[in-house]
Amino acid sequence: DAGVIQSPRHEVTEMGQEVTLRCKPISGHNSLFWYRQTMMRGLELLIYFNNNVPIDDSGMPEDRFSAKMPNASFSTLKIQPSEPRDSAVYFCASSPQGDYYEQYFGPGTRLTVT
Amino acid sequence: AQTVTQSQPEMSVQEAETVTLSCTYDTSESDYYLFWYKQPPSRQMILVIRQEAYKQQNATENRFSVNFQKAAKSFSLKISDSQLGDAAMYFCAGMDSNYQLIWGAGTKLIIKP
Repeated sequence: DAGVIQSPRHEVTEMGQEVTLRCKPISGHNSLFWYRQTMMRGLELLIYFNNNVPIDDSGMPEDRFSAKMPNASFSTLKIQPSEPRDSAVYFCASSPQGDYYEQYFGPGTRLTVT
Repeated sequence: AQTVTQSQPEMSVQEAETVTLSCTYDTSESDYYLFWYKQPPSRQMILVIRQEAYKQQNATENRFSVNFQKAAKSFSLKISDSQLGDAAMYFCAGMDSNYQLIWGAGTKLIIKP
């Protein structure tokens, strides 16, 4: 079975540009999580969805960040406009229905904003 | 709110030896889960082991086991017969009632051949 798929794996962009990160959860999983990992702040939960509905977005740093899950097999995390301090590794994870306790992580997207 | 603390930024162990990674946590909740995740150089986050707080028995997964001391709020990971492939960052995490993972800062594990 394919695991969680994220694209792109690496993204380099200039400050002010729009960035879209993509995630395909494991088939059959109903919950999806977006995390950000930086040296300064470690791993942070940005937002999570259950059955395509955003449940908690309190971790989203500011209005420049938005996330959508239009269907059970796809989610996006968008940053507009991007800033150098957004440089980080962004992880997507999914978990089966009723089992938030076992989250399967994607390989991450390394974002560099210059 | 939960907090998770890993006080060892880096640990090293000789191949085939045993190493223990420390983690302490603080929570006001009565029921919670604790986890150890491994992040190798490939950057993928891999679940190593999980422990339900209401279970007194320590979780074990092959060479990986935990020492869960609920009263002391301690959750250490023991790796037996260390292998070169165990080299990675290890993150301790707790899950709160909102199903959010609260992460420790991580411990870098170095395996000496």
